[in-house]
Amino acid sequence: QTVVTQEPAFSVSPGGTVTLTCGLSSGSVSSTHYPTWYQQTPGQAPRTLIYSTTVRSSGVPDRFSGSILGNTAALTITGAQADDESIYYCVLYVRTGISVFGGGTKLTVL
Amino acid sequence: EVQVVESGGGVIRPGGSLRLSCIASGFTFDDYMMSWVRQVPGKGLEWISRINGNGDTTDYADSVKGRFTISRDNAKNALYLQMTSLRAEDTALYHCARERIRNWFAPWGQGTLVTVSP
Repeated sequence: QTVVTQEPAFSVSPGGTVTLTCGLSSGSVSSTHYPTWYQQTPGQAPRTLIYSTTVRSSGVPDRFSGSILGNTAALTITGAQADDESIYYCVLYVRTGISVFGGGTKLTVL
Repeated sequence: EVQVVESGGGVIRPGGSLRLSCIASGFTFDDYMMSWVRQVPGKGLEWISRINGNGDTTDYADSVKGRFTISRDNAKNALYLQMTSLRAEDTALYHCARERIRNWFAPWGQGTLVTVSP
């Protein structure tokens, strides 16, 4: 069974830069996995940040960027702000027809 | 406004069945794949099922395969999830979402809560 891995937690200072990663239990992540990143705050539905590896969703600040970093997908936040404190989920298309979410990364800005 | 609204959740006993509905508006429904994603309160997201625009291709996560059936009625702009043999671990908030590009789920509904409990 394919597992999508994310750091459980991360912290960043206000104004700092942080890179969250999204990997596979076996193999490398590529654009063919359609890496997509969501931000979720308590009580709210997820909000799309990045789709198709690098494409920023409408209205998402340009301090959020997506990439492939080594064998993982990555979400980089440059110039973190207090309201970036959220849980970040990635999802990968792991095989025909099947998508799997990572467990989420709880980001603290302090 | 593009939106989806889920309904049909409730409290159900283990082994029981339930059908969730999702009504879409503001977009050409049959142009899009649709998915169901669930979230146990306080836990992570789990993609569970997808259906293509004309309804002839469906996919399921292993956790629900053989127990859940996704379907759609394009004339009614409606998406469904028939859930059978429900288990305690199926307790979650169930969201439907339009899938614009693979894995790009937008918008999400606010979800409908399914509680499986004796």
